[in-house]
Amino acid sequence: GAVVSQHPSRVICKSGTSVKIECRSLDFQATTMFWYRQFPKQSLMLMATSNEGSKATYEQGVEKDKFLINHASLTLSTLTVTSAHPEDSSFYICSAPSGGIGTDTQYFGPGTRLTVL
Amino acid sequence: AQRVTQPEKLLSVFKGAPVELKCNYSYSGSPELFWYVQYSRQRLQLLLRHISRESIKGFTADLNKGETSFHLKKPFAQEEDSAMYYCALRFGGNMLTFGGGTRLMVKP
Repeated sequence: GAVVSQHPSRVICKSGTSVKIECRSLDFQATTMFWYRQFPKQSLMLMATSNEGSKATYEQGVEKDKFLINHASLTLSTLTVTSAHPEDSSFYICSAPSGGIGTDTQYFGPGTRLTVL
Repeated sequence: AQRVTQPEKLLSVFKGAPVELKCNYSYSGSPELFWYVQYSRQRLQLLLRHISRESIKGFTADLNKGETSFHLKKPFAQEEDSAMYYCALRFGGNMLTFGGGTRLMVKP
């Protein structure tokens, strides 16, 4: 089946630094990928839609200058948390639909745990 | 705006007992609903979708538009069913909005 990977699986950084998280579709192409954020014991919150070849679409309340998204190719989307602060500490998950637009099978990455000191 | 509600954060049952995980939604459009499951230390994965009207691992879910519900049911719970379960609504193409999740614990 389709597989989505994320790298790194966990990262610890100092406050004020930037962190890049990669999301890759390993055996399929994804023109769209989604980034979620999950706080401890809470549900996934959609942050943004990453679109290959165009700008990302951000959900209300998500700062686009804070969370930079680049969909570099049909198999790679990156999320960069800029000038990270402790409140950015969270579990970040990406997903990609396999099969193209309108397909309802989303495949999720294993997540990246970000800890900002 | 779309919204998915799972009223129970934790559901604990004994092995062999029936289980029902509740999910209610609000959405102005035609709903497409899913159940996702996350086993311990594993990634989120699709369990079933209402369009398929299928039974996966003994679980079924029926979309009730009148009650705006999509409850997940299994007649006889197994220990390996212990996991986090998320109800999700698809909107705007492929975007998903998730409920708060219900942790199912099946005791021996």
